[in-house]
Formats: sequence, structure tokens, C-alpha cells
Amino acid sequence: AQRVTQPEKLLSVFKGAPVELKCNYSYSGSPELFWYVQYSRQRLQLLLRHISRESIKGFTADLNKGETSFHLKKPFAQEEDSAMYYCALNTGFQKLVFGTGTRLLVSP
Amino acid sequence: DGGITQSPKYLFRKEGQNVTLSCEQNLNHDAMYWYRQDPGQGLRLIYYSQIVNDFQKGDIAEGYSVSREKKESFPLTVTSAQKNPTAFYLCASRRTSANTGELFFGEGSRLTVL
Repeated sequence: AQRVTQPEKLLSVFKGAPVELKCNYSYSGSPELFWYVQYSRQRLQLLLRHISRESIKGFTADLNKGETSFHLKKPFAQEEDSAMYYCALNTGFQKLVFGTGTRLLVSP
Repeated sequence: DGGITQSPKYLFRKEGQNVTLSCEQNLNHDAMYWYRQDPGQGLRLIYYSQIVNDFQKGDIAEGYSVSREKKESFPLTVTSAQKNPTAFYLCASRRTSANTGELFFGEGSRLTVL
């Protein structure tokens, strides 16, 4: 079955602390994974994709096929990082299967 | 102003009534999608369309219908057969030639059944 699991509904950290939002997937083929973010009162938007191997707003995510994971990390969280984060898996024809989301709350 | 426009933002409906949510894009994207967003359940795919006059069911298509008569428009009808229609609905589009997987989302429509 094609599935994306985000085990944490809420992750609360203090400003400057490291952040790791967990994402595990189940997919029989070669996975294509994404992280989307939704800031308060804004549209859902792409944060990063594993193919690009890029760092966006200080966030990185590495695909680990052995552990079937694609965790999102940032070494020093900022208050403006507070948002809803969704991990997504492309199941073909760019049909994305989304996880249930993790709300990140960064306190001052 | 380029992008995806969903209307209305808020909609109330009585049980037994059909309602149509509008989604228009001026990004010249070929593919369009409808997702439903419920608390604790993330986004679930209702219908998607890769080209005009063609669409496919997603994971939760029962009780919904769509049409794709124009490239820029992909309206979603929530029928009375949908058992739990109260939800937040998101429309998205994608440029198929890019193959980047990036979906562009609208601001959403919140439907409440009274």
C-alpha cells in the first residue's frame, strides 16, 4: 500500500533549538518525496523535494531508502517556521499522497 | 494576478442539496486536482484531471463529481450522496511538462452542511 506516515501531530520547540519532523513512507517503486508547508493564512506550498537535494529556509531532508524515511530537519528553529508541514509521496502521474501533517510551534 | 482561484471561500448547505465549488487557474497548467482536508487526516485526493475532457477518480471520489470542459476550469460538485461533506476543499494545478511534482494550491473552500 502507498502510504505516508507522520507520527507527530504537534511538535513544540523553543527558538534556536534543532527541529526534526518525521516522515516515513510505504511504496513499492522508486519514491519521489516532497515536503509542503502551510503558514498561517497562506496557501499550501512546496518547501522542498528530495530530488533537488536543496536547502530551503534552512531546512533539509534526506531520503533514506533503507529506513523508508524522509525526515525534515533544521538545526536552529525560528519563530517564523511555525506552520503546518506535510510530507507527500508521488504515486504516479504526480498524484501526491499526503501524510496527516505535523504542526510545528516555535516559541520565543 | 496569476494563480488559482477558488470560490466561494465559505459555503453553507442544507442536507440533501448539491453544491458546486469553483476552481479557476490562469497558470496554463494541464493537470488539476481536488483534495479534501480534514483535521487529523491530512489531504485526500478526490479527483484529478491530466487534460481537458478527461478526469480520474482519486481515493475518495464517492459522492463527488467533476468536469473539465476548459483547461483553466475544474469545478467540483459535492452531491447529496456524500455522507460527510463538511470539510475544507483544496484545488491544485500542475504544469505537466515540468515533471517537478510541484502542485500549486488555491486558498480553499470551506463547506459546512447544516
